Amino acid sequence: NAGVTQTPKFQVLKTGQSMTLQCAQDMNHEYMSWYRQDPGMGLRLIHYSVGAGITDQGEVPNGYNVSRSTTEDFPLRLLSAAPSQTSVYFCASSYEGAQNSPLHFGNGTRLTVT
Amino acid sequence: AQKVTQAQTEISVVEKEDVTLDCVYETRDTTYYLFWYKQPPSGELVFLIRRNSFDEQNEISGRYSWNFQKSTSSFNFTITASQVVDSAVYFCALSEAWNTGNQFYFGTGTSLTVIP
Repeated sequence: NAGVTQTPKFQVLKTGQSMTLQCAQDMNHEYMSWYRQDPGMGLRLIHYSVGAGITDQGEVPNGYNVSRSTTEDFPLRLLSAAPSQTSVYFCASSYEGAQNSPLHFGNGTRLTVT
Repeated sequence: AQKVTQAQTEISVVEKEDVTLDCVYETRDTTYYLFWYKQPPSGELVFLIRRNSFDEQNEISGRYSWNFQKSTSSFNFTITASQVVDSAVYFCALSEAWNTGNQFYFGTGTSLTVIP
C-alpha cells in the first residue's frame, strides 16, 4: 500500500501566486487533515475532513482552502501565497472520529514563498 | 497555553548511552490519548506509540520504553543503548476524546543527536 501520498515534494512560489498541494490516501480512511510544521512550533492543524463533502477549520486556517470530493483525495489550496506560508506541509489520515487512532502522515511538501 | 510541552529542544548523547525525552501535557478531559512520533532527517513522520489515559501501564518495545504518569501529566520516552539511527526529532502529541475534529496537539519536538 502507498499510504498517504503528497505532491509535490518541493515548491517555490512568488508572493501572490496560487497553487494546490495534493494529498491522496489508499487506506479508505474517512478522516483527513492538513498540518503545517514550523521551526519551534511543532505541527499545527490547518483544515480537516471527517468524510467526503465535509470539511472544517483547524487551528490556523487563514489563507488556505480545502475540499473533499472523494474519500481518497484532500487537496489544500493557497489562493494568494504569502511569505508567512513558507513551511513544511503534512497531510495525514486516520479512521473517522477515532481520537485514539494514530495519524498516518504523508512525506511532506516543503513550500517556500518569496 | 501549550497543551503539550517538550522542554528539551536539543539533546546530544554518545552512542550506547540511555536518553529520556520528556513530555508534559495539559488537558481537562478525563479521556485522552498520547502519542510519540519520530521524524528522521529524511523528514517523514513515523508513529511510535499510543497510550490511553485510562491505562497507566508502562510499555517496553525493544530499546524503547514509555513512562506514563497521570499524577504529573507526563509521558516520557526512554531510548536504551542509543544508536546513530535514533538521531531524529521526536514529537509528543495529545488527542482529546471530546474533540470531534480529531485535532492532535503536538509539542515543539526534541531533536536528538546520537554521536558515534
